[in-house]
Amino acid sequence: KQEVTQIPAALSVPEGENLVLNCSFTDSAIYNLQWFRQDPGKGLTSLLLIQSSQREQTSGRLNASLDKSSGRSTLYIAASQPGDSATYLCAVTLTAGANSKLTFGKGITLSVRP
Amino acid sequence: DAGVIQSPRHEVTEMGQEVTLRCKPISGHNSLFWYRQTMMRGLELLIYFNNNVPIDDSGMPEDRFSAKMPNASFSTLKIQPSEPRDSAVYFCASSGDRNSPLHFGNGTRLTVT
Repeated sequence: KQEVTQIPAALSVPEGENLVLNCSFTDSAIYNLQWFRQDPGKGLTSLLLIQSSQREQTSGRLNASLDKSSGRSTLYIAASQPGDSATYLCAVTLTAGANSKLTFGKGITLSVRP
Repeated sequence: DAGVIQSPRHEVTEMGQEVTLRCKPISGHNSLFWYRQTMMRGLELLIYFNNNVPIDDSGMPEDRFSAKMPNASFSTLKIQPSEPRDSAVYFCASSGDRNSPLHFGNGTRLTVT
């Protein structure tokens, strides 16, 4: 059974700091990996999607990397801003059959202090 | 594009009552997912549909839970009878295919007293 782990559960940093959020998964046979952002009282918003054949994806100040063999992904946020404060979740899709369901980590709650 | 639309946003009901949650996926998306989120367990997949057909309902906790997708633009999740432990935020999400990102609605916060 695929398990997705995100540690730590919470992180507080001063504004302007570059930071890395970690995600690990137990089954390396993934189809893709997604990073999501969730604001309080809201649904999840997809930030980046990395296919299993890719090593990284970039969008603005965000960069996500994927190392399938070690079962790890990182989300790099450059020059963090208070508006980046939210919970960040990673999720993997397995390759098994036509299964397209995602398995989520519990998320990392990020607070960026002004 | 209005995104995934869920209703109601909040639902408060008494134990034993029937609860129906509704979802309208993004037009053109052929996969629809129902998730439940709690502090303790995080996001759990309850059931998902592909082309209106239920593919995997192994996450549905009990027979009290049922889901339908009568057409490509509408799905319901029903709990009958509801119990306090069903209190959670229920999300609906849709996607075009496995290579596309998943789009979530804003969720329904259910409180069963």
